[in-house]
Amino acid sequence: DSGVTQTPKHLITATGQRVTLRCSPRSGDLSVYWYQQSLDQGLQFLIQYYNGEERAKGNILERFSAQQFPDLHSELNLSSLELGDSALYFCASSPGQGGQPQHFGDGTRLSIL
Amino acid sequence: SQQGEEDPQALSIQEGENATMNCSYKTSINNLQWYRQNSGRGLVHLILIRSNEREKHSGRLRVTLDTSKKSSSLLITASRAADTASYFCATARGGSQGNLIFGKGTKLSVKP
Repeated sequence: DSGVTQTPKHLITATGQRVTLRCSPRSGDLSVYWYQQSLDQGLQFLIQYYNGEERAKGNILERFSAQQFPDLHSELNLSSLELGDSALYFCASSPGQGGQPQHFGDGTRLSIL
Repeated sequence: SQQGEEDPQALSIQEGENATMNCSYKTSINNLQWYRQNSGRGLVHLILIRSNEREKHSGRLRVTLDTSKKSSSLLITASRAADTASYFCATARGGSQGNLIFGKGTKLSVKP
């Protein structure tokens, strides 16, 4: 058990809809990272938050946004969903800002119909 | 964009054999990490090697790093069926940006 909790485990929705994925980091970890894993793109870094502030941004679409709350949990919001957004979305956490081993949740599998 | 490229993409061996996976990357790094992913699960950190290190061991795992060739290898000795998983290398640039850049992974199958 990594200590990182992601909800929901599975999400099925339709194109054009909006969903929110939730992540609770491992106790004591201040950084939260979001990744998208798909068969064609592999594991893509989306965004990092450290202690409530955005730290790094990757290949995150404008339709996607995230935030980290004072209790350090994080939410990833995906809107105007397209078929190509179907993927596994992982949250990971680490104690500090950069370069450390990351602890991953088991992901949210998003299916767009 | 992918930083690392693992080789081979897939590897099938018998229990007890050694498995070697290679990873190449493109830019300068602070460290390189290897992760394991069992089917449908999250990634699990295996080992981290810093840019000033050449070799590191952890149990049955041995990692080497050659920064001049921008490459790393992961050796799993005396493999077990439970080692069946996908293995990813990930590079970290360090500093305040903590994100990892992952390769596409090697799918290892260990047959009993």
